[in-house]
Amino acid sequence: AQRVTQPEKLLSVFKGAPVELKCNYSYSGSPELFWYVQYSRQRLQLLLRHISRESIKGFTADLNKGETSFHLKKPFAQEEDSAMYYCALKIGARQLTFGSGTQLTVLP
Amino acid sequence: GAGVSQSPSNKVTEKGKDVELRCDPISGHTALYWYRQSLGQGLEFLIYFQGNSAPDKSGLPSDRFSAERTGGSVSTLTIQRTQQEDSAVYLCASSLNSGPYYEQYFGPGTRLTVT
Repeated sequence: AQRVTQPEKLLSVFKGAPVELKCNYSYSGSPELFWYVQYSRQRLQLLLRHISRESIKGFTADLNKGETSFHLKKPFAQEEDSAMYYCALKIGARQLTFGSGTQLTVLP
Repeated sequence: GAGVSQSPSNKVTEKGKDVELRCDPISGHTALYWYRQSLGQGLEFLIYFQGNSAPDKSGLPSDRFSAERTGGSVSTLTIQRTQQEDSAVYLCASSLNSGPYYEQYFGPGTRLTVT
């Protein structure tokens, strides 16, 4: 069965520092990978997806099939980036399988 | 337009009682998903509806959980004989279609507390 692992429950960085949120997945095929974000008192929303190869709010994520990873990166963290981040994968038409999430805190 | 809405936003119930949680998806969205967000557990898939197809119930944790979707729109998640371990935030999401290229839009959730 597919599985998503986010090894860090909590991550703190200072404003302006680089940030990397780790995500590893287990699936032998080619899943679609996503990052979702939940800001305080807001609903869960899509941040980015690997098929779009986009940069959203300065965040990027590269799918590494060899390492089965999809780490989320931002070169200069901002205080407004503080939120809960979930990595998720989707196989075909099926549901999203989420990791357990990483709470990012950006310190002033 | 309006996003996914859920009601109630909060529900406190006594152990052993039945509860119903409601989800109104975005109009025109054919796919609807229920997830459960437990403290420290992340998001757990419960059930998925796609159009008129039979729902995928593979994530339901026990036969106390059931869900229906009427007229391809509103969905109700029912938990019978609630237990304390059912306490969680129940999230509903909808998407235009079910393929991987279709974004899932989440509702605000219903926080269920079983006392």
